[in-house]
Amino acid sequence: AQSVTQLDSHVSVSEGTPVLLRCNYSSSYSPSLFWYVQHPNKGLQLLLKYTSAATLVKGINGFEAEFKKSETSFHLTKPSAHMSDAAEYFCVVSALDSSYKLIFGSGTRLLVRP
Amino acid sequence: GAVVSQHPSWVICKSGTSVKIECRSLDFQATTMFWYRQFPKQSLMLMATSNEGSKATYEQGVEKDKFLINHASLTLSTLTVTSAHPEDSSFYICTRDSLHVNTEAFFGQGTRLTVV
Repeated sequence: AQSVTQLDSHVSVSEGTPVLLRCNYSSSYSPSLFWYVQHPNKGLQLLLKYTSAATLVKGINGFEAEFKKSETSFHLTKPSAHMSDAAEYFCVVSALDSSYKLIFGSGTRLLVRP
Repeated sequence: GAVVSQHPSWVICKSGTSVKIECRSLDFQATTMFWYRQFPKQSLMLMATSNEGSKATYEQGVEKDKFLINHASLTLSTLTVTSAHPEDSSFYICTRDSLHVNTEAFFGQGTRLTVV
């Protein structure tokens, strides 16, 4: 069975400083991994995805994530936080059975201080 | 533009009434759509898989008689919360099946249901 663990429920950074949101996964096969962002009272937007191509994945808004199989990690980073980055971030693994179910992590709320 | 349209975006209803939420695939015919639920300050959990022309598949712990899913056409799935209670207040969001393996899921805008 697949699972994903987001290690921090809240992360607080100052504007202009780096962001690190941690995610570890468990999968019996090579997984597809995603990071989604959810702004308050809004739907979900895909930031980036890993699908067994390059291990360093670049996404929108300056975010990137590195797939590390040896560490079973897929941490999300950004060099410099912006106030508009404040949101809830979800690490997601695809079940990849015939129905392509998504398994969500518990989420990390990113707070950006001015 | 959006490829999945969900309506309404928010609804307030009285306890005991039923509420229908629509999810439309705008870009292609989706044989499978998924319904997720998100309680306040929690993550999203899959409720059920909606299958066109057949019965929905419900996840463990989700009452199929309470959450009625109808996928009568290849572009529309509906979720009806029957006899709603305050504990059903949640954010409901749908996705459609992906075109290819390893592609992203496209989410509707979500529906905020408040039962008073």
